[in-house]
Amino acid sequence: EPEVTQTPSHQVTQMGQEVILRCVPISNHLYFYWYRQILGQKVEFLVSFYNNEISEKSEIFDDQFSVERPDGSNFTLKIRSTKLEDSAMYFCASSTERGLAGVRRTQYFGPGTRLTVL
Amino acid sequence: QKEVEQDPGPLSVPEGAIVSLNCTYSNSAFQYFMWYRQYSRKGPELLMYTYSSGNKEDGRFTAQVDKSSKYISLFIRDSQPSDSATYLCAMSAPMDSSYKLIFGSGTRLLVRP
Repeated sequence: EPEVTQTPSHQVTQMGQEVILRCVPISNHLYFYWYRQILGQKVEFLVSFYNNEISEKSEIFDDQFSVERPDGSNFTLKIRSTKLEDSAMYFCASSTERGLAGVRRTQYFGPGTRLTVL
Repeated sequence: QKEVEQDPGPLSVPEGAIVSLNCTYSNSAFQYFMWYRQYSRKGPELLMYTYSSGNKEDGRFTAQVDKSSKYISLFIRDSQPSDSATYLCAMSAPMDSSYKLIFGSGTRLLVRP
């Protein structure tokens, strides 16, 4: 069964360093998302991406964050200068463009990247 | 008032019990409702999605939506120890072209053998 994959599974970085989190969405999906989950808290939306542009971003997604689809299979989240409060699980998700609206809204999540900022 | 509220639990039940998990929400624009299961330190796994009001059944799982009460439920029949996980509800509004999901905080379920 197709699935979303993410690398690395765990990333440790020093405050102020840049990190790139990588995702390979399900192959025929065209909507892509990043969410984060701080330990013990709810899953929060960061950004959605369709047709090579951001369709919506949350207040969390400030100028330190960027997303890119560098080729036909990868989707990346870059944090330019990490802060302690960026420590969280980051989940990539994807959904299909086909079918009824409910199906298009059904998102499939990857296993996550645990980001630890020291 | 939070957009989506969910009792954090933990909810502890014996194997074989019927489990009821619930979410309430405040935004009447939500019309798409999903249930995800999340094991510790893993990604959310989609269980079911429903549109607008009504029931939907899939194996041991039944999802219900009551839009008049802004209340959704997930029922698990014949619960198994492997069902022990955190259950997340998530919602989306039709006018939201980004399709973003708004999540509840999750209910932790423990099924005792």
